[in-house]
Parts: sequence; C-alpha cells; structure tokens
Amino acid sequence: DTGVSQDPRHKITKRGQNVTFRCDPISEHNRLYWYRQTLGQGPEFLTYFQNEAQLEKSRLLSDRFSAERPKGSFSTLEIQRTEQGDSAMYLCASSFGQGQETQYFGPGTRLLVL
Amino acid sequence: AQTVTQSQPEMSVQEAETVTLSCTYDTSESDYYLFWYKQPPSRQMILVIRQEAYKQQNATENRFSVNFQKAAKSFSLKISDSQLGDAAMYFCAYKEDFGNEKLTFGTGTRLTIIP
Repeated sequence: DTGVSQDPRHKITKRGQNVTFRCDPISEHNRLYWYRQTLGQGPEFLTYFQNEAQLEKSRLLSDRFSAERPKGSFSTLEIQRTEQGDSAMYLCASSFGQGQETQYFGPGTRLLVL
Repeated sequence: AQTVTQSQPEMSVQEAETVTLSCTYDTSESDYYLFWYKQPPSRQMILVIRQEAYKQQNATENRFSVNFQKAAKSFSLKISDSQLGDAAMYFCAYKEDFGNEKLTFGTGTRLTIIP
C-alpha cells in the first residue's frame, strides 16, 4: 500500500512566476485535500475534492490559486503570479470518504518564492 | 468557527518517562472527531490517535492514550515510556462529523526527548 505522494518535494521560484504541484492520493481514496503550512503553524485548509468535484474552497485560496482533479485520481495545485507570501509547505492528504474520517498526509511540497 | 488551542509550544521529557500534551477546542457541535498527528523533522505528518466524540471511552494506541473531556472541550495526549523516536511536532486537530470535511489544527507542540 503506497502512501500519498507529492511532486516536487521542493520548489524555488522567482516572484511573479507560475508554479504547479502534483499530488497522488492513496489509490482507493476518493477524497483529496490541500493544506498550507507556514513556519511554526499548523496546516490550514485550502480545498478538497470528492472524486473529481471540488466541493469546498477556503477564503485563503485567492484567485491566483487553482486546483484540479480531472479524473478523480491525482490532483494539481497551481499558483499564478507567485508572491513572497506564498512561501510555505503545501500538504496534500487523502481519505476514503464518509465514515472513514482519517486523512493521510503526503510529504509536502516546500515552496520558496524569492 | 471552530478553534483548536495548544498552549504548550515546547515540551521535553526524559527517555522512558511519561509526558502529557494538552489541547483544547471550541465548537458548538455535538458530533465530531479529534486527532493527534505527529510531524517529525523534515518528515511527513502521520496519525497518532483519533477519538470520536460520541465515544465515552478514551482511545489508546500502544504507548499513546488520550484523556477526552467533552464537557471541558479538552483532548490531551499521554505518551508513556517515551522513546527517542517520539521527538516531533505534535498537532491536535478537529473535524466536524457531517458537512465540513476540513481539519482544523492547533499550532503544535514541539516535543524533545532527553536521552
């Protein structure tokens, strides 16, 4: 049973550039979540999908952020026109669905915007 | 809005001793889930233990146990026989039972194990 994987693990970019992160959930999990974690803080919810449908978005997810899960399997999170304040760890998690409430996390993508 | 508070930014414990990490939360819901996650340095977050609010019995997982006080909205984690591998950030998290799938996390407690 492979866990949640994320790619890349680290990304350094210049302000104003676009970046895209990928998350592959545990294969039988139909729910996928994105969180953001800044230094010294707990993760903050960004958005989640049930299958391919994006069902909830946090107000933290500005219009520069977009997430997709086109076939209900892997997901991508894109940040356009990056800002220094976007520097954080971006965590992906997945779960089996209602009745199985535990979310399993990937290793994260650490983004540094210069 | 639900909030989770971890009032101990750092804790330390001697190897083989017992330590308790505290967590309080605020909610108006009656059914919900509580979790403790462990995040070792530069490694991914893993579930330590979870508690369903409707269950009166405190959850246990080997050396890890919780003290769930629903009326007081308190959810502490006890680690017995502390080991060097227990060193990590520990996050308390809350999730509603229905209709809201997000986890709400506290700010974490950094646990150091003293050999």
